[in-house]
Amino acid sequence: GENVEQHPSTLSVQEGDSAVIKCTYSDSASNYFPWYKQELGKGPQLIIDIRSNVGEKKDQRIAVTLNKTAKHFSLYITETQPEDSAVYFCAALYYGQNFVFGPGTRLSVLP
Amino acid sequence: GAVVSQHPSRVICKSGTSVKIECRSLDFQATTMFWYRQFPKQSLMLMATSNEGSKATYEQGVEKDKFLINHASLTLSTLTVTSAHPEDSSFYICSGGLAGGSEQYFGPGTRLTVT
Repeated sequence: GENVEQHPSTLSVQEGDSAVIKCTYSDSASNYFPWYKQELGKGPQLIIDIRSNVGEKKDQRIAVTLNKTAKHFSLYITETQPEDSAVYFCAALYYGQNFVFGPGTRLSVLP
Repeated sequence: GAVVSQHPSRVICKSGTSVKIECRSLDFQATTMFWYRQFPKQSLMLMATSNEGSKATYEQGVEKDKFLINHASLTLSTLTVTSAHPEDSSFYICSGGLAGGSEQYFGPGTRLTVT
């Protein structure tokens, strides 16, 4: 089955700096890769996603890249703000509708 | 984006009792609904997938007789934890998906504590 790894597990950055989180997946058939932000005690919130026919996508301060050959995808957050502090999960879609989530990255943005 | 609600947001029950969690898609019809469980500081683990009007498909290791899932309409799915035990204490999250779509829209989660 699909396996998703995510690094780093924790990340601290100064406000205004950039944050990068990387994920790798195992199933080459996966074709949809969302990123979720989860704040304490809340459900995951979709922040950006990318499909396998696209190599890069950007939405304001957030961007995602996908390397299908290497089977890895990365999340970039620029000009970080304290409200970006949360746990971020990557996921890969397999079997057409099921997600496998990475273990998560706890991001802390220090003022 | 699409909105999913869950009720209750938190519940405390005694060991041996059953508790029902509702998941509703508020502004879209969710042909497929997913139920996840999340332990503290861990990732989301898929428990089961349900399609409206069909029996749920459970992931390996999830007891279907303990975690009863009903997806009676395109906007409502319920998860009933039967004969709850303290080890069932967790954060339960549902999500809904559209027919033919890849995206899943998550609810706010339900914190279950079994005493």
